[in-house]
Formats: sequence, C-alpha cells, structure tokens
Amino acid sequence: AQTVTQSQPEMSVQEAETVTLSCTYDTSENNYYLFWYKQPPSRQMILVIRQEAYKQQNATENRFSVNFQKAAKSFSLKISDSQLGDTAMYFCAFMNPVNAGNNRKLIWGLGTSLAVNP
Amino acid sequence: NAGVTQTPKFQVLKTGQSMTLQCAQDMNHEYMSWYRQDPGMGLRLIHYSVGAGITDQGEVPNGYNVSRSTTEDFPLRLLSAAPSQTSVYFCASRETEGGNSPLHFGNGTRLTVT
Repeated sequence: AQTVTQSQPEMSVQEAETVTLSCTYDTSENNYYLFWYKQPPSRQMILVIRQEAYKQQNATENRFSVNFQKAAKSFSLKISDSQLGDTAMYFCAFMNPVNAGNNRKLIWGLGTSLAVNP
Repeated sequence: NAGVTQTPKFQVLKTGQSMTLQCAQDMNHEYMSWYRQDPGMGLRLIHYSVGAGITDQGEVPNGYNVSRSTTEDFPLRLLSAAPSQTSVYFCASRETEGGNSPLHFGNGTRLTVT
C-alpha cells in the first residue's frame, strides 16, 4: 500500500531561523505528485508547495522550498527565515498519476506540528 | 472568488439526529470531496465526486451519504449521527480529477455528537 510518513510529530524553531520538516513516501509509480499543506490554528488548510515527480528541479515558493529526492522517496520542506505566522500543522501528501484511474485520491501523512518561538 | 464555502462552522448533534453539511464552490471545479480530520488519524476521505451526477466512496464512507446534482454543490448527509462521527469535516475541490491541480479546502465544520 502507498503510504506517507512524517516522522516528526512536533518541532520548534526560533523566529528567523531555518527548519526542515521530513516526509517520506512509498510507491511503485514513476510519475506522481507531492504536496505540502499548512493548517494554522484557524483550521484552514492552505497549499504551501507542490512538486511533480518528473521534474528534477526542486520547487520553491518564497521562503518555502523542498528537497525532493526521488530515489530515496523523500520530500522534505525547508522553511527559511521562520516567522511567527508559520506556526501550524504541516501535512505532506502524495497523489498518483492520471493513469492510476480511481486510485487518484490524495494520501496524507499524519502531520508535523511546528511552533515558531519569538 | 469565495472559493469553497462550508456551512455550518460548528454543530452539536444528539445521537440519532440527522443533518446536512453544506459545501459550495464557485470555481467550476469538477472534483469535490469530503474529509474528516481526527487527532492522530490525519485526513481521511469520506466521499468524492468527479463531476455532477457522479459520486464514489472514499476510505470511511459508512454513515454518510452524498449527492452531486450540480457542479457547485456537494452536501454531506449524516442520516443518524453517532458519537464516532464527532470530528472536523472538510470539503475540498480540485479543478479536474486528473493532473496536478491542488485541492482547495473550505474552512471546516467542527461536529460534536453527544
């Protein structure tokens, strides 16, 4: 079965520092999609960043970047210059390619709770 | 654009009561889905729809019904609420069933069944 594992249930970082959240997944597919979502205390789920497996270049969105290592099936999220507003639960998610038919639902990790301390 | 709108934000039910969680999106998305979020369980898919008139079961469909009569609306019905259905519910939509378009989430409904 395809799985997504986030091995760090909780993390903390000082404001302005850099933190990396880990995510590993298990699949036999070659083309797929990976996502990081953020859920702040407001409860809203917000897309942070996404990566297509066929792209070798790591995705970047402002202070957020990923380290995508396909062979190792690793998809870590790096947050640079952490801000208090980054305090949230972060979820990693995996999606099969289009030709997977009905098996295209998102597979979610259990999340990492990140606290940014002043 | 309003995006994905869920109502209500909070609801308390007694065991055996029924209710409908409303979900509407104004982005003309083909794909819509319902998740429940429980501590330590992550997000679990209840039902989903790839277009008007088409629905299918997710991981945890028991106790829930859905319908998709229009592209915009995807209500979730609890026919006879049980304490095990106490959870936070999210509606989410995606542009198409294919491709890598991300999910857009509503703000969630916190449901308590006593």
